[in-house]
Amino acid sequence: DAGVIQSPRHEVTEMGQEVTLRCKPISGHNSLFWYRQTMMRGLELLIYFNNNVPIDDSGMPEDRFSAKMPNASFSTLKIQPSEPRDSAVYFCASSFVLYGYTFGSGTRLTVV
Amino acid sequence: QQQVKQSPQSLIVQKGGISIINCAYENTAFDYFPWYQQFPGKGPALLIAIRPDVSEKKEGRFTISFNKSAKQFSLHIMDSQPGDSATYFCASTIIQGAQKLVFGQGTRLTINP
Repeated sequence: DAGVIQSPRHEVTEMGQEVTLRCKPISGHNSLFWYRQTMMRGLELLIYFNNNVPIDDSGMPEDRFSAKMPNASFSTLKIQPSEPRDSAVYFCASSFVLYGYTFGSGTRLTVV
Repeated sequence: QQQVKQSPQSLIVQKGGISIINCAYENTAFDYFPWYQQFPGKGPALLIAIRPDVSEKKEGRFTISFNKSAKQFSLHIMDSQPGDSATYFCASTIIQGAQKLVFGQGTRLTINP
């Protein structure tokens, strides 16, 4: 298995632009998590899905952030409009009932 | 009740020494306590995990010690090596719950050769 696949690995965008981050979870995993990592705040859970349904989005910082999981093999995290304070590394993780809880390699987002 | 407090923030250990990282949790319902290791440019990876029915779990040079009454658990790295230099995160959750891991703030470990 190729693990959790995230794209792009790096994204540089201008303030105000729309940014879409993508994630392909491990086949057979039924939970998917989006995290944001910064030096100041560490690892923050933004949202997670169970069987493609959003369960808890209380970590989404504001309405500019949205996430979708149209099927079991794909999820997106969108920021519109992006701001410099959104610069961080965004991780996607997937699991099956906590077993095999696996992170992707992350997307480093820079908003200038 | 959902917090997990991790210390120290950073740690420098000489090669061959013992590295110790501590975590404390608040929610007594937590019943799964993993440790994750993260290298620069990579996502966190599961290192070792423990359930509260045992007080210690060992895998190679890595040991988790668990104190249920004190609501604390720690990671011990024996014979620390430069390749162990990484950021370590403790986490906690309820297995039967929503699988939401609550992470500590992380410890940046440096092993000097």
